[in-house]
Amino acid sequence: QSALTQPASVSGSPGQSITISCTGTSSDVGGYNYVSWYQQHPGKAPKLMIYDVSIRPSGVSKRFSGSKSGNTASLTISGLQAEDEADYYCGSYTSSSTRVFGGGTKLTVL
Amino acid sequence: EVQLVESGGGLVQPGGSLRLSCAASGFTFSNFAMSWVRQAPGKGLEWVSAVSGSGGSTYYADSVKGRFTISRDNSKNTLYLHMNSLRAEDTAVYFCAKSHFDFWDGLDLWGQGTVVTVSS
Repeated sequence: QSALTQPASVSGSPGQSITISCTGTSSDVGGYNYVSWYQQHPGKAPKLMIYDVSIRPSGVSKRFSGSKSGNTASLTISGLQAEDEADYYCGSYTSSSTRVFGGGTKLTVL
Repeated sequence: EVQLVESGGGLVQPGGSLRLSCAASGFTFSNFAMSWVRQAPGKGLEWVSAVSGSGGSTYYADSVKGRFTISRDNSKNTLYLHMNSLRAEDTAVYFCAKSHFDFWDGLDLWGQGTVVTVSS
């Protein structure tokens, strides 16, 4: 199972919006509405930010939103804040009854 | 407090074995699927294995199939990962994680991780 494709890095200034893409295939991202997004700060455990493509868990800021079109899912962060600087990973259920993650995207807040 | 606490990591020689444990508290453990996810030094997340809430269904990544075994003891609220025939490429931080509900859902609770180093 190949990893989902994410950009290695994205950046934005405080207050701006950024979008991170996550591209898979019809056997994972495109085939199921089970895409999730995780935020990971250095040395910390990942934190779930979005599940089932667009649902925010309780306690996650409304600035985080998710969507999907075809085989590509997206995470959008609006009103960028310094504390958003972290690594972000997408994940998806697959037709092989496994889970696959993306390679990760490093978000830099300028 | 709702939490997951991993233990059992350490230094092991190639070809050796190790058993990781993950103690859960603060939620009804048997109601949720559980997963192991690893992260090699400086690398991204890699899903390793998962088990259903009852323990009756298990799932593995191709990279560990036949070498690792996931299990759970719902009476002890504990998840396990038995790792055999360890290789250098298994070196990583191993996290246990709880599914929001079923296996395919997002992982909404993570432990702090336990470090496994495979080296001679």
